[in-house]
Amino acid sequence: AIRMTQSPSSLSASTGDRVTISCRASQEISTYLAWYQQKPGKAPKLLISATSTLQSGVPSRFSGSGSGTDFTLTINSLQSEDFATYYCQQYYGYPYTFGQGTKLEIK
Amino acid sequence: VQLVESGGGMVQPGRSLRLSCAVSGFTLSGYAIHWVRQAPGKGLEWVAEISFDATKTYYLDSVEGRFTISRDDSNRTVNLQMNSLRAEDTAVYYCARQLGSFTAYFDHWGQGTLVTVSS
Repeated sequence: AIRMTQSPSSLSASTGDRVTISCRASQEISTYLAWYQQKPGKAPKLLISATSTLQSGVPSRFSGSGSGTDFTLTINSLQSEDFATYYCQQYYGYPYTFGQGTKLEIK
Repeated sequence: VQLVESGGGMVQPGRSLRLSCAVSGFTLSGYAIHWVRQAPGKGLEWVAEISFDATKTYYLDSVEGRFTISRDDSNRTVNLQMNSLRAEDTAVYYCARQLGSFTAYFDHWGQGTLVTVSS
């Protein structure tokens, strides 16, 4: 199975900050990567597909980049509603796998 | 678009449970559907997929042979039959819609149903 490793596992930041979350695949996955946001007690929400395609309705302060094995989610000018846990997911091959999550907390 | 899971509960190890995912707001027959689970306090784990036409199913190795995914497009439901349940199957189970034909990311999710396997 393709292992997805996110860093950091947790992150403290303030509103207005710019944050970057990394996701590394254990093998090449081209750009078959998605990012999700999950708030406590809620289902995940798709933010980005195909590494960098922002989903409809997702604020433009979210962006994604990368290819191959190294990927990044960037959030510019953090808002209060952005404090959540973020997961990357590869859909290059079965079994589809997620990173362990990055919890973004208020500093 | 809405997906609503049901059927969760507490069950003893070795027993069975059947989860259902009822969909509305879109034509089920056009989409592959997946089950993804999340153990308490843990991350997300993909479990199973059924193709849009039900001709293909795929499973996580640890559930292969124990879980069966099926769909009934006429009743707008996707089911996950879980047999020989183990403590490590304890999780919130989400059903999720795959957006693309060949790209398995999930654009809509249900609210989840909790399965607890315990004696």
